[in-house]
Amino acid sequence: DAGVIQSPRHEVTEMGQEVTLRCKPISGHNSLFWYRQTMMRGLELLIYFNNNVPIDDSGMPEDRFSAKMPNASFSTLKIQPSEPRDSAVYFCASSLSSDQPQHFGDGTRLSIL
Amino acid sequence: GQQVMQIPQYQHVQEGEDFTTYCNSSTTLSNIQWYKQRPGGHPVFLIQLVKSGEVKKQKRLTFQFGEAKKNSSLHITATQTTDVGTYFCAGGTSGTYKYIFGTGTRLKVLA
Repeated sequence: DAGVIQSPRHEVTEMGQEVTLRCKPISGHNSLFWYRQTMMRGLELLIYFNNNVPIDDSGMPEDRFSAKMPNASFSTLKIQPSEPRDSAVYFCASSLSSDQPQHFGDGTRLSIL
Repeated sequence: GQQVMQIPQYQHVQEGEDFTTYCNSSTTLSNIQWYKQRPGGHPVFLIQLVKSGEVKKQKRLTFQFGEAKKNSSLHITATQTTDVGTYFCAGGTSGTYKYIFGTGTRLKVLA
């Protein structure tokens, strides 16, 4: 079975550029999560979708971050404009329902220069 | 807000020694999940505990949920080099979707 698929795996870009991260959840999963992981702050929940609807975006750092889920098989996390402090590993995870185990993608390692 | 702390932050053990990580929540949990993240990898689900005082085993791994449902532990017997990684607990609260991940315990096993 295909797991959660994220792209790109690595992204290096200059400050001020727009960054778009992509995620394809496991088919049949109705819950999708975006996380950010850094050494300093650990694993932080950014946003949670249920049945393609954003339920909680309180973890989104600021207006520069936005996320969409136009259908059950695709989600994006966008940063515009990007800043060096956004450098982190961004994970997408999906689950059958919100209280079930989460399946994580391989992550996108983002470096903003 | 709800916080989930883990101790220790780091642990180095000789291969064959036992290892335990402890997870403590500031609030009562409905359930707790444990994940393992290998270096450079992504978190992988290990187990979920739901009942007060519950104990579950997976080969050399023993998971326990506290009676008050505010703490949990993971014990590894006779560690192996394949056990290397960071172990996270994630606390779930009744009626919400949100799991708060603990700070993690990074395990290094010396051969």
